[in-house]
Amino acid sequence: DVVLTQSPATLSVTPGERISLSCRASESVDTYLHWYQQKPNESPRLLIKYASQSISGIPSRFSGSGSGTDFTLSINGVELEDLSIYYCQQGNSLPYTFGAGTKLELK
Amino acid sequence: EVQLVETGGGLVQPGRSLKLSCVASGFTFNNYWMSWTRQAPGKGLEWVASITNSGGSTYYPDSVKGRFTISRDNAQNTLYLQMNSLRSEDTATYYCTRDGTYASYFDYWGQGVMVTVSS
Repeated sequence: DVVLTQSPATLSVTPGERISLSCRASESVDTYLHWYQQKPNESPRLLIKYASQSISGIPSRFSGSGSGTDFTLSINGVELEDLSIYYCQQGNSLPYTFGAGTKLELK
Repeated sequence: EVQLVETGGGLVQPGRSLKLSCVASGFTFNNYWMSWTRQAPGKGLEWVASITNSGGSTYYPDSVKGRFTISRDNAQNTLYLQMNSLRSEDTATYYCTRDGTYASYFDYWGQGVMVTVSS
C-alpha cells in the first residue's frame, strides 16, 4: 500500500501569511494526488485534484504542486476560515490511501 | 446541486450486521463510480469500498474485504454498504462519495452517518 506522510502534523498560522503543507508518498503516484479540507464537524471537501488542478468554487489562494513522491499544498494569504485539517489522498493505485492530515491552528 | 444523503447508521453489537444507504440527486447517477470512506472518532480518513458506474465491479481494502459489500441500484439512484461481522474497529462515521473522473478522487461527500459497534 502507498503510505502518505504529511508534515507538519500541526501548523500555527497568522492570518495573511503564505504557508505550505507537505505530502510525501512512499512510492511514485505520478500526479494522482488530491487534497481535501475538513472543517470541524463537517464533511471533507475536495480542494485540489491531480496535484495542481483547481476545483470550481475553491478560493484561488489554494494551490498545489508536485509529482512523483513529493507534493505541496500552498495557501497564499491564510484566512481564519482556513483553520481546518488538510488531507492528501492518492488515487494512483488500490487501495486508495490518505495521509494522516495537517491541522492548521491559530498562532 | 449534487446531494448525497446517507441513512442506516446506529449502534450494533460486535459480530452483527448493518446496511447503509445513500440516496443521490443532482447528477446522472449511473454515469459515476461511487465509494464509501470512513473516519473513526478523532482519526483520519480511510477508503472502504468503490463500485463502478454499472455496478459490475467492486473494490475493497483488505481491512473490510469479505465482510463488507458495496452495491447500487441505478434505477433508484441509491448506493448501499452491507456490513457483516462488524468489529469495534469499524466504529466510524461513514461517508458516501461520488468519484471524480477516472475514479481517482472523491469530488462530493455526503454528511456522513455514524456507526458504533459495541456490546
